Amino acid sequence: GQNIDQPTEMTATEGAIVQINCTYQTSGFNGLFWYQQHAGEAPTFLSYNVLDGLEEKGRFSSFLSRSKGYSYLLLKELQMKDSASYLCAVLDSNYQLIWGAGTKLIIKP
Amino acid sequence: DVKVTQSSRYLVKRTGEKVFLECVQDMDHENMFWYRQDPGLGLRLIYFSYDVKMKEKGDIPEGYSVSREKKERFSLILESASTNQTSMYLCASSPPGQGVSPLHFGNGTRLTVT
Repeated sequence: GQNIDQPTEMTATEGAIVQINCTYQTSGFNGLFWYQQHAGEAPTFLSYNVLDGLEEKGRFSSFLSRSKGYSYLLLKELQMKDSASYLCAVLDSNYQLIWGAGTKLIIKP
Repeated sequence: DVKVTQSSRYLVKRTGEKVFLECVQDMDHENMFWYRQDPGLGLRLIYFSYDVKMKEKGDIPEGYSVSREKKERFSLILESASTNQTSMYLCASSPPGQGVSPLHFGNGTRLTVT
């Protein structure tokens, strides 16, 4: 079957750096998405990776290794507003999105 | 900015009722989706549509149907609500293509079936 794994919950300190991991086993691969979802709000798009390597977008970066079935989202200079759930999703060989359960990130002052 | 609007944020319905969840997007997107989101589970696709009058079953279509009479509107129908359909329902849209465009989500409808 198809599977996406990410930690259920993480805690980090304001101003620090945190890395949220996502491992996947899917039938084929056409890219990996990261979304941010604040409590009670819509998920919003953060990044899309289809090639190996690191893509940086301001304080947020996303890394992909297709051979390892692994991605991470790196958040730098954490702010309280970064407290949210982070959803990893893989586009499989049929161009269907397979979603992880999400990682709830708690930022402490 | 793309806006996806779901008609209700909260709904409480009784078992056996017919329930309509409405979703409207304002960016002329061809693709529209209905997901449900439950604690500890990834988003699960109920139905999707790539064009007006067109609909496709997702991973968990049982107990649901959809309607897409106009491009901007995609409705989810619970024919006879049951308690196991208590969930957060998310509507999303995206431009045409093979799924590599990001989804734009509505704020969700939290449905409670008693």
